[in-house]
Amino acid sequence: AQKVTQAQTEISVVEKEDVTLDCVYETRDTTYYLFWYKQPPSGELVFLIRRNSFDEQNEISGRYSWNFQKSTSSFNFTITASQVVDSAVYFCALSVRDVGSTLGRLYFGRGTQLTVWP
Amino acid sequence: NAGVTQTPKFRILKIGQSMTLQCTQDMNHNYMYWYRQDPGMGLKLIYYSVGAGITDKGEVPNGYNVSRSTTEDFPLRLELAAPSQTSVYFCASSYYGTSRSDTQYFGPGTRLTVL
Repeated sequence: AQKVTQAQTEISVVEKEDVTLDCVYETRDTTYYLFWYKQPPSGELVFLIRRNSFDEQNEISGRYSWNFQKSTSSFNFTITASQVVDSAVYFCALSVRDVGSTLGRLYFGRGTQLTVWP
Repeated sequence: NAGVTQTPKFRILKIGQSMTLQCTQDMNHNYMYWYRQDPGMGLKLIYYSVGAGITDKGEVPNGYNVSRSTTEDFPLRLELAAPSQTSVYFCASSYYGTSRSDTQYFGPGTRLTVL
């Protein structure tokens, strides 16, 4: 079975602090992709990053960085020097192809509500 | 290029009423999806479509119907609204769908309340 766990329901930090959002996934597939989406207070879902199961290199994009560790089935997301505009719900998602299906299906975690205080 | 658009943004229904949630994408994507997001939960797949005329059930299809007559449009129909269908509904699209690497792009959502 496929599963994504985001154990942190809510995190509060003060501006300029670094914060890490945890994501642990379960799948028996050897080929899969991992995603992070941001849902700001306005409600839309914004794509942040995609990572495949064969690429364990960390990725950095401005203040955002992602740490993928296959050995621990984790794909954690770090925001450096957080800002008020980073306040949002962040979703981690796993993409696999279910047995017997032609669909590359997304499984979402429950999300982590990040609040950054000024 | 508007991406994925959804209407309406908000709607209140009475139990037993019906309505259609509209979704349109202008990215020429083959695959389209409907999800629902309940409070404190991740998104769950209701229905998806691999192209015009072809649809299939997702994880939570009961109480919903879909159709796909064009590449651009993928409406979601609620026939007999129930309080359990109170949720935020997201439409999404992707180019390939069959590829695990395919990124899904989401619309702004429709917040539906059934009283």
